[in-house]
Amino acid sequence: DQQVKQNSPSLSVQEGRISILNCDYTNSMFDYFLWYKKYPAEGPTFLISISSIKDKNEDGRFTVFLNKSAKHLSLHIVPSQPGDSAVYFCAASRRGGGADGLTFGKGTHLIIQP
Amino acid sequence: DVKVTQSSRYLVKRTGEKVFLECVQDMDHENMFWYRQDPGLGLRLIYFSYDVKMKEKGDIPEGYSVSREKKERFSLILESASTNQTSMYLCASSPFEGTSGRSIETQYFGPGTRLLVL
Repeated sequence: DQQVKQNSPSLSVQEGRISILNCDYTNSMFDYFLWYKKYPAEGPTFLISISSIKDKNEDGRFTVFLNKSAKHLSLHIVPSQPGDSAVYFCAASRRGGGADGLTFGKGTHLIIQP
Repeated sequence: DVKVTQSSRYLVKRTGEKVFLECVQDMDHENMFWYRQDPGLGLRLIYFSYDVKMKEKGDIPEGYSVSREKKERFSLILESASTNQTSMYLCASSPFEGTSGRSIETQYFGPGTRLLVL
C-alpha cells in the first residue's frame, strides 16, 4: 500500500515558467516532508523540507506548500531552468526520535523545455 | 560537506553469488540506510541502522542482510544474489541531534551502485 503518491510520472514545462510537482500521502502519522532531486547515475540530493506545523517553506526559487487537511503537498519552482530537469522524489517521515527511514514516492520526471 | 561514498558504481554478479555493497560516510552520522531504486517504484528502504551493531528491517529486507561494525561503515549483503535484485542501490546517512534527542530527517545519499545480476 503506497503511503506517498506522486501521480504524475513525468511533467514537461517551458523554461522560465512555473513547475508544480504534486505529492499526496495517506499516513496521518507523517509530520515531516522532504523533496529530493535526482540526476541519472547520481544519488538523490536534498532540496527542501517542511514540518507539519507550517504550511509553506521557501528557499530561493523553490517553495513547498503543505495542506494537512488534504494530505497534499506541492513543490513550486519559479522560474524553471534547464538544470532543473531531473527526477523529483517526495518523501515523508514520522518525527519521534527514531531513525525510521524515509518513505518515498515513485518520483516525477521533470523536463524543462527551452 | 557531507560525503557518502559507495565502493562500486557498477557491479555485475552471477546468480547465487554472495555480494557485498559497502558504504562509508565521513560526517560521524549515527544513522545509516540502504535503499534500492527501481523504475516506477521509487526508493524503497531495505535496512537501516541507528548505531554500531544495531540494525532494523525496512520495507523490503527479504534476501538482504546488513553489517555495521564501525560507525562510519554500513554494508549491505546479498547472501545469494538473484536476478530480481538487479537494481540501483543507494546508501544514505543522517545525524542524531543530541540536544533535541531526535534524529534529523534530512538524509545524505551516496552516488549509488548499479548492480546487475545475471
